[in-house]
Amino acid sequence: NAGVTQTPKFQVLKTGQSMTLQCAQDMNHEYMSWYRQDPGMGLRLIHYSVGAGITDQGEVPNGYNVSRSTTEDFPLRLLSAAPSQTSVYFCASSSPTRYYTFGSGTRLTVV
Amino acid sequence: KNEVEQSPQNLTAQEGEFITINCSYSVGISALHWLQQHPGGGIVSLFMLSSGKKKHGRLIATINIQEKHSSLHITASHPRDSAVYICAVASTGTASKLTFGTGTRLQVTL
Repeated sequence: NAGVTQTPKFQVLKTGQSMTLQCAQDMNHEYMSWYRQDPGMGLRLIHYSVGAGITDQGEVPNGYNVSRSTTEDFPLRLLSAAPSQTSVYFCASSSPTRYYTFGSGTRLTVV
Repeated sequence: KNEVEQSPQNLTAQEGEFITINCSYSVGISALHWLQQHPGGGIVSLFMLSSGKKKHGRLIATINIQEKHSSLHITASHPRDSAVYICAVASTGTASKLTFGTGTRLQVTL
């Protein structure tokens, strides 16, 4: 099925651990982005990419790294997890003038 | 002040009622998106608007660019419409990223 595949769905980390959230799309979309969703706040942009090899920071980039080596994949790396990074993370893809397609989300808890 | 404001934050309706959710924004935009999120669920795109009005089934979305305002209407509401509805905008020249409102939680009862 065409869409955005996001893994894992759930993850528990200890403070200081690192991990990578995977995101892949098969729609040949140029744009990909990562958002976090916290209670009482709208989704906030972490990092985004307008094409392979091009990434930029969003509203809340600290503590996260991204890379875009292919059109399909846009992994999000947590370098040293902190409790403040407990959240639900969504990956999304789109093209100019196209709807956004979202992954199913990753619920991350940092203890 | 947030760039995207939604109202109301919470809404309870009886089955069959006509529902309106409002979204105001303060920046120039290339597009406005309406999204739906069911409890514990993923996010689904409902509409993308840059002008005028769009309709899918019982859902209607309108936008007034001059007033920087959009509305999402649900006609003949049904309990399966219970969800959080989110307004998001792509600022002018930046279709690659969205700024979101905080969402409107809708509950439709029998």
